[in-house]
Amino acid sequence: AQSVAQPEDQVNVAEGNPLTVKCTYSVSGNPYLFWYVQYPNRGLQFLLKYITGDNLVKGSYGFEAEFNKSQTSFHLKKPSALVSDSALYFCAVRADNTDKLIFGTGTRLQVFP
Amino acid sequence: NAGVTQTPKFQVLKTGQSMTLQCAQDMNHEYMSWYRQDPGMGLRLIHYSVGAGITDQGEVPNGYNVSRSTTEDFPLRLLSAAPSQTSVYFCASSYSLRGNEQFFGPGTRLTVL
Repeated sequence: AQSVAQPEDQVNVAEGNPLTVKCTYSVSGNPYLFWYVQYPNRGLQFLLKYITGDNLVKGSYGFEAEFNKSQTSFHLKKPSALVSDSALYFCAVRADNTDKLIFGTGTRLQVFP
Repeated sequence: NAGVTQTPKFQVLKTGQSMTLQCAQDMNHEYMSWYRQDPGMGLRLIHYSVGAGITDQGEVPNGYNVSRSTTEDFPLRLLSAAPSQTSVYFCASSYSLRGNEQFFGPGTRLTVL
């Protein structure tokens, strides 16, 4: 079975400060890992993914994520937060031997001016 | 390209009624899926399809049916609506399973009274 955990329901950060949104996963095979963002009353938008190779992945809007196999984590980061980054963020995982993409419960990011 | 389209945007049903949520994509994607989004529970996979004529169950399939007669369309049927099916439903598609990100539709907000 595969699962994803996002331990924080909400993350608050001041504009200009670095942000981290945490994600840990559990799969039986090699993981494909994704981050998505959801703005109010919208569908999900893809941010970035880890398939193989470099552990540091860069994505849209200045976001990046670091794959850590030993800690089974894939934390989302941004060096300098913007108020417009405020949204709901989802981590998702699919093992390379399954057909199912499983999402975490989401983390609400609030960036304060 | 219209991307992934979903109809209707909003729907109110009475308990016991049936209905079909429509999903279509014009990107020639093989993989399509349905999720429901509930507060505090993230996105949960209902059913998915790896190609025309092939469907399989996700995490929460009970009370829902799907079919995939064409590559473009992937309707979700509620057989006998229950208040527990009140949710926001998202359809998604991707080129294939192998590490490709999914494209999401705008969602259908369903209320069952």
